[in-house]
Amino acid sequence: NAGVTQTPKFRVLKTGQSMTLLCAQDMNHEYMYWYRQDPGMGLRLIHYSVGEGTTAKGEVPDGYNVSRLKKQNFLLGLESAAPSQTSVYFCASSYQGGDTGELFFGEGSRLTVL
Amino acid sequence: QKEVEQDPGPLSVPEGAIVSLNCTYSNSAFQYFMWYRQYSRKGPELLMYTYSSGNKEDGRFTAQVDKSSKYISLFIRDSQPSDSATYLCAMSGAGNNRKLIWGLGTSLAVNP
Repeated sequence: NAGVTQTPKFRVLKTGQSMTLLCAQDMNHEYMYWYRQDPGMGLRLIHYSVGEGTTAKGEVPDGYNVSRLKKQNFLLGLESAAPSQTSVYFCASSYQGGDTGELFFGEGSRLTVL
Repeated sequence: QKEVEQDPGPLSVPEGAIVSLNCTYSNSAFQYFMWYRQYSRKGPELLMYTYSSGNKEDGRFTAQVDKSSKYISLFIRDSQPSDSATYLCAMSGAGNNRKLIWGLGTSLAVNP
């Protein structure tokens, strides 16, 4: 039972490079989320999806794009990485909205932008 | 002022101690209150979930909500070294206030 799987777990980028973080869940959850976690800032929602083919902006969406082409996958893209995007990124999923249901998190993807 | 305030610690206690972790909030519309536990280099996992006011107990863990004071607590009895982690509170309202708001987390170390 894998739950929520994030790839890659670690990545170092140079400023201006692009990359995609992949999140996969095997729990048939409708809702999926991308968070970033920074010291002193806590968890901040980047984008989220309430179902296949839908996405919405969260608290800090600038510089990121997402896609949910398949129900089990939620991709987070950085088109032109900046040092301010150095962070730990967490994907999460839930059967119903995270306000009333449990969020299941992946183990995180540590991104460093030089 | 942040909607949710949580002392980041660190909090260090001896094994067997009773631990009290707290969050205060400002939005009286919050109805759903959660505590997540996050081990180092792992994702958060749900520990306790409470709707509205009152207490909820699960083994050594008790979650308490005081809506009149806008204050929530997590108590850990007979703390163990395996309880060493960061504890995050999260809360939300209903309807137009459904956005999940997170505390910054309190780092707890239980020393053997």
